[in-house]
Amino acid sequence: DGGITQSPKYLFRKEGQNVTLSCEQNLNHDAMYWYRQDPGQGLRLIYYSQIVNDFQKGDIAEGYSVSREKKESFPLTVTSAQKNPTAFYLCASSLSSSGGVHNEQFFGPGTRLTVL
Amino acid sequence: AQKVTQAQTEISVVEKEDVTLDCVYETRDTTYYLFWYKQPPSGELVFLIRRNSFDEQNEISGRYSWNFQKSTSSFNFTITASQVVDSAVYFCALSGLYNFNKFYFGSGTKLNVKP
Repeated sequence: DGGITQSPKYLFRKEGQNVTLSCEQNLNHDAMYWYRQDPGQGLRLIYYSQIVNDFQKGDIAEGYSVSREKKESFPLTVTSAQKNPTAFYLCASSLSSSGGVHNEQFFGPGTRLTVL
Repeated sequence: AQKVTQAQTEISVVEKEDVTLDCVYETRDTTYYLFWYKQPPSGELVFLIRRNSFDEQNEISGRYSWNFQKSTSSFNFTITASQVVDSAVYFCALSGLYNFNKFYFGSGTKLNVKP
């Protein structure tokens, strides 16, 4: 089945530790995204990547880092510099937009990160 | 600036009632796209519809319909004869002309459909 997988579903970490969230897609999409969702709020963009080995900061990139070494993978590292990392993290992917058409993003099941 | 406002934080209805979820957007772009997503309790966002700014025709898909009005910068979503399975958080999103990969999401509307 084609889709986006995120692991783990739940993640606990101690303050001061870095943690990496996995995101894999087999949809052959060029673009991938990371969002953060806090209770009762919409999604805020952390990072996005339109092509392998290239990525751009979103609105709330501070305290996060990403890599895009393979088309199908876009891991997110939450560093100890992120002041309030407890949140629900969603990964998404889409076809690259071309010809003026903006393609919809498809989302993974999310990872709920709790900092103890 | 791009912005999406979903003023209804939470709506509760009884099964079989019709319900409309409001979405108002702001953009200076002449070309843009609007989207609706459903987020059930499991957490994964499910894509519902995409509409570009040049297409103001209303769309109907089963019990779902969308009303796009550029004059009022609104893209409202109506569920007819609601069902318990429609209970979810619904998000409206906007992508602009120059950075089409960047989606601006509203804060979402939580819909509770009671049996």
